Amino acid sequence: GAVVSQHPSRVICKSGTSVKIECRSLDFQATTMFWYRQFPKQSLMLMATSNEGSKATYEQGVEKDKFLINHASLTLSTLTVTSAHPEDSSFYICSALGRTDSNQPQHFGDGTRLSIL
Amino acid sequence: GENVEQHPSTLSVQEGDSAVIKCTYSDSASNYFPWYKQELGKRPQLIIDIRSNVGEKKDQRIAVTLNKTAKHFSLHITETQPEDSAVYFCAASDDYKLSFGAGTTVTVRA
Repeated sequence: GAVVSQHPSRVICKSGTSVKIECRSLDFQATTMFWYRQFPKQSLMLMATSNEGSKATYEQGVEKDKFLINHASLTLSTLTVTSAHPEDSSFYICSALGRTDSNQPQHFGDGTRLSIL
Repeated sequence: GENVEQHPSTLSVQEGDSAVIKCTYSDSASNYFPWYKQELGKRPQLIIDIRSNVGEKKDQRIAVTLNKTAKHFSLHITETQPEDSAVYFCAASDDYKLSFGAGTTVTVRA
C-alpha cells in the first residue's frame, strides 16, 4: 500500500520551455504533498508543501512564480517549472502524507530527472 | 527552522563490519526521526524510523538510537553487506515537514 506515482521519470527539453510534473497517490488520499529538489551529490531540499484545495507554502528562496504547484484533488499534485533554464536541471521528487496522524512516514515518488539544454 | 547535521559524509567499511552514522538536530520540538537509503537515481527508501518517546529501535541488522537531551540520533548497521552500499540520509520532523541531513555515502568493501 501507500504507492506514490510520479510522472514523467525523465524530461529533456530546451531552455525556455515549461515542464509539468505529476505526483499521484494511487491507493490513498493525500492531504499533504511535498516537493523536493535534489542536485547531484546533495541532499533533498524541500521546495514547497501543498495541501489539497489550498495554496502551496513555499520555502524561503523558492520562487513561487517559477515553480507553480497545484493540488486540486486528494490524489494529484502537479509542479510546473515555468520557463526552465539550465540551472533548473535537477532531480525533483514528490512525497505524500495520507489522512492519518502527523509524523507518519512520507511516501515518496520515483522522482523526475529534469535536464534543460 | 530545523537544522540537521550528519556525519560522516563518507564511510567505507569491510564487509561484515558495522557502520555507524550520527546526526544532530537543533529544534527540541522535533519528534520524528526517519532514516532513508537512496541508491543512485532512485527515490529515498525508508529503512527505519524512531519517535521521540522511544530511545532505541531495532529491525534485523539495522538499529537507531535517540538521545533527546543531547539532540542526537544514530543509525547502526551490523554485519554489513555489499548491497548496503548507498547514500543514507537522516531527517527530523517537528510536524509534517522533514529536514534532511547532508547524507552519508556508505561503501561496503567485499
